[in-house]
Amino acid sequence: GENVEQHPSTLSVQEGDSAVIKCTYSDSASNYFPWYKQELGKGPQLIIDIRSNVGEKKDQRIAVTLNKTAKHFSLHITETQPEDSAVYFCAASKARNAGNMLTFGGGTRLMVKP
Amino acid sequence: DTGVSQDPRHKITKRGQNVTFRCDPISEHNRLYWYRQTLGQGPEFLTYFQNEAQLEKSRLLSDRFSAERPKGSFSTLEIQRTEQGDSAMYLCASSPTGLAGVRSEQFFGPGTRLTVL
Repeated sequence: GENVEQHPSTLSVQEGDSAVIKCTYSDSASNYFPWYKQELGKGPQLIIDIRSNVGEKKDQRIAVTLNKTAKHFSLHITETQPEDSAVYFCAASKARNAGNMLTFGGGTRLMVKP
Repeated sequence: DTGVSQDPRHKITKRGQNVTFRCDPISEHNRLYWYRQTLGQGPEFLTYFQNEAQLEKSRLLSDRFSAERPKGSFSTLEIQRTEQGDSAMYLCASSPTGLAGVRSEQFFGPGTRLTVL
């Protein structure tokens, strides 16, 4: 089955700096890669996603890049703010006739210091 | 609030007891998923429904676990004879049916945190 590795496990940055989180996946058939933000006591919230037919996607301060050949994708957050502090998860799934099972990475705890 | 809701938010039980959790998906979302998340880890897929049909089950879903979605709306997850290893956050997510070949976003609920003593 699919295996998703995520690094780093913790990341501390100064407010205003950029943060980069990287993930690798094992199944070349995977074609959908969402990123979730999880705050304490809450469920994961989708912040951005990318499909395999696109190499990069941006939404305001957040961007995601995908390298299908190397089977890795990254989350970039620019101009970080204290409210960006949370645990971030990458995930991967592949087109199937039934369902869209997500395989998650282990998570990155991002701390933005004011 | 029109998001995914889960009940209860917290459950403490003694080993050997049965517990049942409920998930109410976003209205008209015909896909519903259950995931389990242990401390410091990412969510792990347990099972998936398309309307009332349970179409996939993970190997993580032992015989003590059963899930239902009788009318294609809310879903229940029951754990029988709970063990300490069952302690985790149980997350429910829903998504609408996407176009063929287009994967749909999954919206997660707040989860039910289970503690087995």
